[in-house]
Amino acid sequence: RKEVEQDPGPFNVPEGATVAFNCTYSNSASQSFFWYRQDCRKEPKLLMSVYSSGNEDGRFTAQLNRASQYISLLIRDSKLSDSATYLCVVNKAPGTYKYIFGTGTRLKVLA
Amino acid sequence: DAGVIQSPRHEVTEMGQEVTLRCKPISGHDYLFWYRQTMMRGLELLIYFNNNVPIDDSGMPEDRFSAKMPNASFSTLKIQPSEPRDSAVYFCASSSYTIYFGEGSWLTVV
Repeated sequence: RKEVEQDPGPFNVPEGATVAFNCTYSNSASQSFFWYRQDCRKEPKLLMSVYSSGNEDGRFTAQLNRASQYISLLIRDSKLSDSATYLCVVNKAPGTYKYIFGTGTRLKVLA
Repeated sequence: DAGVIQSPRHEVTEMGQEVTLRCKPISGHDYLFWYRQTMMRGLELLIYFNNNVPIDDSGMPEDRFSAKMPNASFSTLKIQPSEPRDSAVYFCASSSYTIYFGEGSWLTVV
């Protein structure tokens, strides 16, 4: 099993739609979780951290499910500018900065 | 604010040549990472440093790859000799908690 797994997509959704991605991780002891966004031919950029209680930033909501070992990202009211690849990030072991990136889920928002 | 600065941005080199990639992390960040990204394998962590000391280099593909961090504001990733399969985007990143990436060095080995 891969350490971090994501559905590669692409997810093609119309503008205004709600879309959700999941990311599963293999190490139950992992403690730090993030979502990054990567545009074509650009560097990954932090979208949001994922907290145990779940957290929201505008149209974006992140959730953590420790029992099932996955994190999720929900995007409401999708915009054309949300088209990108979304990478989930998990630290390999508690207390380490060894961050493992998933291969990403590609989102296309269609006009 | 200055972000992570990488050079060169693009490099095309012939197989067998030495390649040196350079990175200046964000000031005050005590972690520095080198990642490699390809279509086939995604983002792979090659090595990371804490306070200029290499902590984990288990991702370095083979002895042809080496990385140094002589001080808090500079790191290099060297490939010698380079091979076509080394063609990729090499990202340097730094962190004090969350990771900030440079714009990447696009390497093509022909």
